[in-house]
Amino acid sequence: KAGVTQTPRYLIKTRGQQVTLSCSPISGHRSVSWYQQTPGQGLQFLFEYFSETQRNKGNFPGRFSGRQFSNSRSEMNVSTLELGDSALYLCASSLATGGADTQYFGPGTRLTVL
Amino acid sequence: AQKVTQAQTEISVVEKEDVTLDCVYETRDTTYYLFWYKQPPSGELVFLIRRNSFDEQNEISGRYSWNFQKSTSSFNFTITASQVVDSAVYFCALSIIQGAQKLVFGQGTRLTINP
Repeated sequence: KAGVTQTPRYLIKTRGQQVTLSCSPISGHRSVSWYQQTPGQGLQFLFEYFSETQRNKGNFPGRFSGRQFSNSRSEMNVSTLELGDSALYLCASSLATGGADTQYFGPGTRLTVL
Repeated sequence: AQKVTQAQTEISVVEKEDVTLDCVYETRDTTYYLFWYKQPPSGELVFLIRRNSFDEQNEISGRYSWNFQKSTSSFNFTITASQVVDSAVYFCALSIIQGAQKLVFGQGTRLTINP
């Protein structure tokens, strides 16, 4: 089975722009979660989507949003980029939601905001 | 609220030494899951193990072993006879049954195995 894929792998944007990141889960997985990883804050939960519905959201401003499509693929969007949004964005998929399932991670998208 | 603490920021050992990575967690929930992930320089988090709160049996997988002790809220990870390929950042994480897939991660331990 193919693993979780994320595109693009690298992005360079300037302040004020917006960006969309994409995640394709493992085949059959219906839950997709997003995490932000920075040297200062570590790994932080952004949000989870299951059956096209947002299940939970972390403590991030409204500039961070996401969606999930009927094929379970997910996108996250960051509007009005700030320097502090530079990070590795990791997507993870699991079979189900609820907290008990193992999450499998993709390779990440490294976003640099100049 | 849940919290995971990995007090060891960096560990450096010589190849073939045994090394233990510590993980202490906090939660008021009685049902929860604990995980260990490995992050090599490529950046992808690689799943190593999942343990639920009702299963305190230690687990061994090759050179890897895990010691779960509810009495001390710890879930430590030991690598026996370490190898250079074990060099990575290791994360301990906690998940509770709350209706969503949300992992709370520790800050990670950077492990360097020197030849």
